[in-house]
Amino acid sequence: QKEVEQNSGPLSVPEGAIASLNCTYSDRGSQSFFWYRQYSGKSPELIMSIYSNGDKEDGRFTAQLNKASQYVSLLIRDSQPSDSATYLCAAEGGGYNKLIFGAGTRLAVHP
Amino acid sequence: SQTIHQWPATLVQPVGSPLSLECTVEGTSNPNLYWYRQAAGRGLQLLFYSIGIDQISSEVPQNLSASRPQDRQFILSSKKLLLSDSGFYLCAWSGGGMNTGELFFGEGSRLTVL
Repeated sequence: QKEVEQNSGPLSVPEGAIASLNCTYSDRGSQSFFWYRQYSGKSPELIMSIYSNGDKEDGRFTAQLNKASQYVSLLIRDSQPSDSATYLCAAEGGGYNKLIFGAGTRLAVHP
Repeated sequence: SQTIHQWPATLVQPVGSPLSLECTVEGTSNPNLYWYRQAAGRGLQLLFYSIGIDQISSEVPQNLSASRPQDRQFILSSKKLLLSDSGFYLCAWSGGGMNTGELFFGEGSRLTVL
């Protein structure tokens, strides 16, 4: 069964620090990977997508992909209290953009 | 720009009652459509996906069914709800076909079965 694994957290970081979120996936055939942010009681919001090995930067966010290790990470620089949310990692699984989601890591940024 | 809407946002239903959740996408044609469920404190589970009108695939055996009567409309239904059907139901869309593009979610429908 295809799976995406994440630490549930909470990951607590001080304001201004770098938050590092990680996930691993089981299906070596997955080619596309995504990070979603979900505030409590709200629907997930796409923040990053990554398709190739290496780093992809977008503002304060950097996604990293290592297909050999089946590992995806998200770095959030200069963390703000508004970044406090659950971050969901997702891997494409089987075409038609079907995504397999991890259970999410809860991030808490404290002033 | 594309938008996706779900309704109702919240509902409380007794066990054994029927269910209908509706989702509509605007600003795109031939989208792939999806229904996910998120149980409390857990990840998203794919329930159904659709690549076209009347083309529905079920990912897990369950008490629910889905229909796509129009290109941009996706409906989730049940004839008799179970307690285990409680959860946060999310409709999503992506570009059509096999492409490995991004998935965008609606606002969600929170269902409590009592």
